[in-house]
Amino acid sequence: SQKIEQNSEALNIQEGKTATLTCNYTNYSPAYLQWYRQDPGRGPVFLLLIRENEKEKRKERLKVTFDTTLKQSLFHITASQPADSATYLCALDPGNTDKLIFGTGTRLQVFP
Amino acid sequence: DAGVTQSPTHLIKTRGQQVTLRCSPKSGHDTVSWYQQALGQGPQFIFQYYEEEERQRGNFPDRFSGHQFPNYSSELNVNALLLGDSALYLCASSLVGTGGTEAFFGQGTRLTVV
Repeated sequence: SQKIEQNSEALNIQEGKTATLTCNYTNYSPAYLQWYRQDPGRGPVFLLLIRENEKEKRKERLKVTFDTTLKQSLFHITASQPADSATYLCALDPGNTDKLIFGTGTRLQVFP
Repeated sequence: DAGVTQSPTHLIKTRGQQVTLRCSPKSGHDTVSWYQQALGQGPQFIFQYYEEEERQRGNFPDRFSGHQFPNYSSELNVNALLLGDSALYLCASSLVGTGGTEAFFGQGTRLTVV
């Protein structure tokens, strides 16, 4: 069956450290993968998109990697801050038609 | 640019009733997708509208229906509400034919069925 899995347990890290979140998928061959941030009671906000021919993408303190052999994407936040505390969702578009399939999300808590 | 706007923000309905949720897409966007997000879960795709027609649909029963208007705004209708329909309903807009670009989400409508 097709699945997108993210670590359902919350990730707690200290301010200033690097947070690494994992997204694994099975039985999909996506052309790209996206990461979103969601705060409680709000809609997801787009962060980064990485295509299948890209190994790594960066935006300020954010970095995403995409390994189509392992069927895995890693999302890194360097020099994390308490304001980075949120749920982070990975999503893929199986048919390249803007129909997004989301993982369950990983809640990140950055403490001072 | 107001981005994607949804109304209402919160709604309480009784089991068996019908509900209509509304969405205005981001300026310049022509495609609207609806998602259901249960507590602690990721958003699940309900359906997508383009040119006033349902373009694709997720695994949701026919009780869930929608509409898109000429100005690209959209409605989500749910009939015969069940307790399990309680969730955050999200609308996202994008431009057709640009698969691989970000989706812009509204703040959602929190539906509670009692």
